[in-house]
Amino acid sequence: AQSVAQPEDQVNVAEGNPLTVKCTYSVSGNPYLFWYVQYPNRGLQFLLKYITGDNLVKGSYGFEAEFNKSQTSFHLKKPSALVSDSALYFCAVRGFGGGGADGLTFGKGTHLIIQP
Amino acid sequence: DAGITQSPRHKVTETGTPVTLRCHQTENHRYMYWYRQDPGHGLRLIHYSYGVKDTDKGEVSDGYSVSRSKTEDFLLTLESATSSQTSVYFCAIKSDGRSTGELFFGEGSRLTVL
Repeated sequence: AQSVAQPEDQVNVAEGNPLTVKCTYSVSGNPYLFWYVQYPNRGLQFLLKYITGDNLVKGSYGFEAEFNKSQTSFHLKKPSALVSDSALYFCAVRGFGGGGADGLTFGKGTHLIIQP
Repeated sequence: DAGITQSPRHKVTETGTPVTLRCHQTENHRYMYWYRQDPGHGLRLIHYSYGVKDTDKGEVSDGYSVSRSKTEDFLLTLESATSSQTSVYFCAIKSDGRSTGELFFGEGSRLTVL
């Protein structure tokens, strides 16, 4: 069975500082990894995904994520945080060979709070 | 915008009553999903569909049933609602037919069971 761990319930960062939201995963075979963001009372918005290739993936709103196979991690990063980045962030995984229909397995989410 | 509409967006009901949530999509995507979101649990898959009349169970399917009689509509039914089913329910579609496709989500349906 595949799983995702987001070890921090909340991350606090000062505006302008770099941010990191951590994610580790467990899956059989090569993983497909995703990050989503959720603003209050809204659905999840897709940020970026890793399928294969470069370990550093760039996505929406200036976010990027680094895939590390040996550490089974896929941390979300941004060089300079904005107050508007404050939201709930989810990491998700789909295992290779899971079939086209299988849904994603999500972590429990990390609240990112950017302080002015 | 993935063209996903969920209805109702908010519903309050009593224990033991049936409830149906509707997900409507406008882009003829084959794969559709129902998730529930609860604090401390993230999102958990309830059921999914890979075509008209083709559905399967997810991680937390007990107490829920689904139907897909048309490509564009995916219905989630709680036959007899319980307080443990108070949650926010999200419908999602997969962006393409490959296993690498990301999911796109609706705005959610908040259900309160008293």
